[in-house]
Amino acid sequence: DAMVIQNPRYQVTQFGKPVTLSCSQTLNHNVMYWYQQKSSQAPKLLFHYYDKDFNNEADTPDNFQSRRPNTSFCFLDIRSPGLGDAAMYLCATSRDLARYSYNEQFFGPGTRLTVL
Amino acid sequence: EDKVVQSPLSLVVHEGDTVTLNCSYEVTNFRSLLWYKQEKKAPTFLFMLTSSGIEKKSGRLSSILDKKELSSILNITATQTGDSAIYLCAVDSNYQLIWGAGTKLIIKP
Repeated sequence: DAMVIQNPRYQVTQFGKPVTLSCSQTLNHNVMYWYQQKSSQAPKLLFHYYDKDFNNEADTPDNFQSRRPNTSFCFLDIRSPGLGDAAMYLCATSRDLARYSYNEQFFGPGTRLTVL
Repeated sequence: EDKVVQSPLSLVVHEGDTVTLNCSYEVTNFRSLLWYKQEKKAPTFLFMLTSSGIEKKSGRLSSILDKKELSSILNITATQTGDSAIYLCAVDSNYQLIWGAGTKLIIKP
């Protein structure tokens, strides 16, 4: 089945130790998104890729970076995790950008990040 | 500033009851409204609404958009314990999703 896959599902890191979360998709969608979701809050968009074009949200800290080496994979790098970065990180895809058509987003299962 | 407000924030009902969840919005360039269900993991897509007054239905779930009132409702009839989840509303405005805080629904057996 076509899907969005995230690895690992749970990640524990130490304060300041870089961590990389991965997302892959078999939907062949053009757009991939990274969201941060803290407890009892709505998902917060960090950035998205439309094909190879990277779009950063204005309030996304520099500590968060992303890479998309090909259509199927997208990575979230947290260069120096702080305690406040502990959250669920959600990857989502959509067939195209909303400006071209109406597109729902399909989410992966998420990676829960704990920072010690 | 674009915003989406959901109510109630939490709701506890008994199995078999019918519930209505609300989503209201103030956005600069409305394109669509989406409902998602989030259990322990990631949100799963339920409905996308673009036109006012047209009900979308999937089993016991239904939703409708009222562009005049800038709101949408999500109805769940004959609730089951498996309906327990957080229901998220998001509005596509200026090609970005603006998310509500969600309604936490608990169904008691």
